[in-house]
Amino acid sequence: DTEVTQTPKHLVMGMTNKKSLKCEQHMGHRAMYWYKQKAKKPPELMFVYSYEKLSINESVPSRFSPECPNSSLLNLHLHALQPEDSALYLCASSHEGGYSSYEQYFGPGTRLTVT
Amino acid sequence: AQKVTQAQTEISVVEKEDVTLDCVYETRDTTYYLFWYKQPPSGELVFLIRRNSFDEQNEISGRYSWNFQKSTSSFNFTITASQVVDSAVYFCALSEADNQGGKLIFGQGTELSVKP
Repeated sequence: DTEVTQTPKHLVMGMTNKKSLKCEQHMGHRAMYWYKQKAKKPPELMFVYSYEKLSINESVPSRFSPECPNSSLLNLHLHALQPEDSALYLCASSHEGGYSSYEQYFGPGTRLTVT
Repeated sequence: AQKVTQAQTEISVVEKEDVTLDCVYETRDTTYYLFWYKQPPSGELVFLIRRNSFDEQNEISGRYSWNFQKSTSSFNFTITASQVVDSAVYFCALSEADNQGGKLIFGQGTELSVKP
């Protein structure tokens, strides 16, 4: 079962709101990723968790706060976002963290609109 | 520096035509991995293939085939007898062995439109 699930599918939030995006995988993967994708652009890496530890933060603003409660779950906490943060947020997982040889499996994404 | 170039921004074909999507990459590593992903309008990126730098064998999977040539740093993707369901954005991506965390370097993507 190569499935990564993400909730919610769509989210509209004001600039003063606090919300969270959730990602789950049950493939036994030990690396999980958050990407941001703007229209007509490739995904941009935001964070990587490897064995439940944050291994990469691509200089993401602190209004985005990732959390990995266990090996199957990945959250992205959002606070005080700007309209330019509106995008498709994709979660992915791969077999092992820290190795570039494994393919990443992506979830369907959360379409976020910041008003 | 690592880089992936997909020079074709948009391609439009009629159903049953063959179509090739080009991918050219740059890397200084001798060990690296190349990927193709499909992103249909629904938004989810679907993994299609992974190829490592030591394996130049071409691969065929149904109507899909991939041509990896290290001499030209290219990893092209051909769809034979295209179908409307092949309409999507296709991304080529590179990951280097020295890169901790498995960071993918994506090309800009090629939007394929297959018309009935």
